[in-house]
Amino acid sequence: DSGVTQTPKHLITATGQRVTLRCSPRSGDLSVYWYQQSLDQGLQFLIHYYNGEERAKGNILERFSAQQFPDLHSELNLSSLELGDSALYFCASSVDLAGRYNEQFFGPGTRLTVL
Amino acid sequence: SQQGEEDPQALSIQEGENATMNCSYKTSINNLQWYRQNSGRGLVHLILIRSNEREKHSGRLRVTLDTSKKSSSLLITASRAADTASYFCATANTGNQFYFGTGTSLTVIP
Repeated sequence: DSGVTQTPKHLITATGQRVTLRCSPRSGDLSVYWYQQSLDQGLQFLIHYYNGEERAKGNILERFSAQQFPDLHSELNLSSLELGDSALYFCASSVDLAGRYNEQFFGPGTRLTVL
Repeated sequence: SQQGEEDPQALSIQEGENATMNCSYKTSINNLQWYRQNSGRGLVHLILIRSNEREKHSGRLRVTLDTSKKSSSLLITASRAADTASYFCATANTGNQFYFGTGTSLTVIP
């Protein structure tokens, strides 16, 4: 158990809908990262938050948005869902600003299926 | 495009043999990390090697880094069936954007 929790574990929804994925980092970790893993795209970095502020953006679509709250939990919002958004969404946390200096601890993921 | 590429894509070996997988990347890095993923599960950090290090060991794992060739290798010695998983290298650029490679799928046959 990494100490990072993600809810829900599974989510099945229809095209055009909007969903929110939630992540709670390890106790004491200030950085939260979001990743999308699909069969055809591999593991893609989406966005990084540190202590409530956005620090880096990766391949995140405009339909997607995220935020980190004062209690450090984070939410990833996916809207106008398309079939291609079906994937595993992981959140990870690390203790410091730059995960490149320290390991990232990954949550168990949320499996999103868009029908 | 992703910064890291692993090679081979898939590897199948007998228990007890050594497994070697390689990672190439494109830009300057501060460090390179290796992660393991069991099917459908979250990634687990294995080892981190800094850009000024050439080799690092952790248990049955040995990682090398060649910054001149922009490549790294992960060696798992005396493999076990429980090592069956996908292995990814990860790097971060100066903009703190993270890139994971395409992964090597390792199967260790008992």
